[in-house]
Amino acid sequence: GDSVTQMEGPVTLSEEAFLTINCTYTATGYPSLFWYVQYPGEGLQLLLKATKADDKGSNKGFEATYRKETTSFHLEKGSVQVSDSAVYFCALKYSGAGSYQLTFGKGTKLSVIP
Amino acid sequence: EPEVTQTPSHQVTQMGQEVILRCVPISNHLYFYWYRQILGQKVEFLVSFYNNEISEKSEIFDDQFSVERPDGSNFTLKIRSTKLEDSAMYFCASQARTEAFFGQGTRLTVV
Repeated sequence: GDSVTQMEGPVTLSEEAFLTINCTYTATGYPSLFWYVQYPGEGLQLLLKATKADDKGSNKGFEATYRKETTSFHLEKGSVQVSDSAVYFCALKYSGAGSYQLTFGKGTKLSVIP
Repeated sequence: EPEVTQTPSHQVTQMGQEVILRCVPISNHLYFYWYRQILGQKVEFLVSFYNNEISEKSEIFDDQFSVERPDGSNFTLKIRSTKLEDSAMYFCASQARTEAFFGQGTRLTVV
């Protein structure tokens, strides 16, 4: 079946460091790909998405590119801030379906220290 | 900004007891979902609900689970006889068109 694999956390970085969180997927067909973020005490929030190969999703300085050849959707940010400390989830769903049934990774906890 | 709200934030229950987790989706949304995350594991899809009936459910969603939208605003998940392995964070979500919005979750602890 479909699956999403994220790099194991936790990840601890100093402020202004470069961030990469790896995400690879296994799926039949052509899924849409997502990154969700969960700040402490809050729900899952959509951070960015990409719906087809070579699309780049971006938001709040974060970027991820849909790479079909490597089945990857790695999350990057050039300079992290303390406020980026959260748990990040990679997820997929099939494009076009009305339902929003998502397949998630385990999540990667990011801590940014001043 | 409209948001999905879940209550309670934390529920402790004894094994074998029934629990009801409550969610208030965003008012004009049409699809509703429950997901769960056992500690240290993946967020897993449980069930989707559309037009007052279940549209999809996972293998996890067995006869012990049920969902309802009793009054047009609340969306509930009931677990009839809780087991230790039901301990998890349960997330509700609702969807209008192209994006699902999640609640903050209910942490269920079965003792």
